[in-house]
Amino acid sequence: ETGVTQTPRHLVMGMTNKKSLKCEQHLGHNAMYWYKQSAKKPLELMFVYNFKEQTENNSVPSRFSPECPNSSHLFLHLHTLQPEDSALYLCASSLPRQRGDYNEQFFGPGTRLTVL
Amino acid sequence: GNSVTQMEGPVTLSEEAFLTINCTYTATGYPSLFWYVQYPGEGLQLLLKATKADDKGSNKGFEATYRKETTSFHLEKGSVQVSDSAVYFCALKADRGSTLGRLYFGRGTQLTVWP
Repeated sequence: ETGVTQTPRHLVMGMTNKKSLKCEQHLGHNAMYWYKQSAKKPLELMFVYNFKEQTENNSVPSRFSPECPNSSHLFLHLHTLQPEDSALYLCASSLPRQRGDYNEQFFGPGTRLTVL
Repeated sequence: GNSVTQMEGPVTLSEEAFLTINCTYTATGYPSLFWYVQYPGEGLQLLLKATKADDKGSNKGFEATYRKETTSFHLEKGSVQVSDSAVYFCALKADRGSTLGRLYFGRGTQLTVWP
């Protein structure tokens, strides 16, 4: 595998389910990101991790819970979601944030999530 | 604040037609500007970028010029191909403040090219 991979590619879940999205990068990066891509809306940055430490949480509801066990893996744990959470969830990675600045981000293909 | 506005799609063209996708931005300071492309079933890929005023980014026949006076970064291609069908995103990267380095994206423009 090369680049940034995400699994599953498609997920359908009920509002009471618990599921997790997985992202893995094979680029030797140390910063990882979760974005939400909804129809007709700009990409929304959700979380940022730099060297496994969460550095940004952009007012994301607690029903989304990220986890970064190491620099290569990033998870997004989902529970009690709402139908409006249906979207494409994109993971990205980059070289570490340095002096406050971000390096070029490389994106995965995304997980298409549908909440019934 | 920082924001990006790009023309709404969808844009439908015949092969070899000229393409323009408009993008304007609002930013404090001197952001870097980007165009990303998302092919069906794939993630976003960086298409081109420009880091200062009057810079021209180019790649795969696409071009965009950073125009500070009009706060624009329009994407152009002289002759599109069917394989260019994708969603195109304009983005800026903030250069200062608490949002230093963060990417701000437009809503995306769907391009469909017919043979």
